[in-house]
Amino acid sequence: QVQLVESGGGVVQPGRSLRLSCAASTFTFSNYHMHWVRQAPGKGLEWLAQISSDGTNQYYRDSVKGRFTISRDNSKNTVYLQMNTLRPEDTAMYYCARRRDVVVGNTLDSWGQGTLVTVS
Amino acid sequence: DIQMTQSPSSVSASVGDRVTITCRASQVINGLLAWYQQKPGKAPKLLIYTVSTLQSGVPSRFSGSGSGTDFSLTISSLQPEDFATYYCQQDYSFPLTFGGGTKVEIK
Repeated sequence: QVQLVESGGGVVQPGRSLRLSCAASTFTFSNYHMHWVRQAPGKGLEWLAQISSDGTNQYYRDSVKGRFTISRDNSKNTVYLQMNTLRPEDTAMYYCARRRDVVVGNTLDSWGQGTLVTVS
Repeated sequence: DIQMTQSPSSVSASVGDRVTITCRASQVINGLLAWYQQKPGKAPKLLIYTVSTLQSGVPSRFSGSGSGTDFSLTISSLQPEDFATYYCQQDYSFPLTFGGGTKVEIK
């Protein structure tokens, strides 16, 4: 059973920073690309960022590019999301997710339970 | 960005009903279409990928179909545990995008 456990959420003032962590276990973390996805209260899912298995490539949605940074430490089986200059509209549940082990495509086959970020 | 349009946004159905949800992409996505189920307070769960491949452990009453830009998720006989919100997602190009969701409610 894949385990992904997010942490680091909380209440933060606008303009401040927060770093989320996602600890992975029960699978070979260094073999998988990882993602962050968020969900504002009562809203749908919004993809944020991907990092490749070796950490060399990252992709972001435009609205967070330059403010958010995805990174990983394969020695700690952990992926991070550094969020700077937070805005009220960043208030959401933040999920990390694992990309299915494929050559093509980005299906997310395992998700953490989420960590709640409130910007207020 | 590829826009994903789901319909309906909600559907009321009874246990045993057949339910179909549709998803339209704003451009061809080469069969890279997934479906997720989300229950209140829980993380999304992958149901189907590459249009019609069932994720391990997902009941066979779930099926996916479609091609080009038009896709659908069908639940052949709705069970009590299927009342949830369903999302389609294109995984063809970045940014990955999701449909707006379809809430399946008890009639």
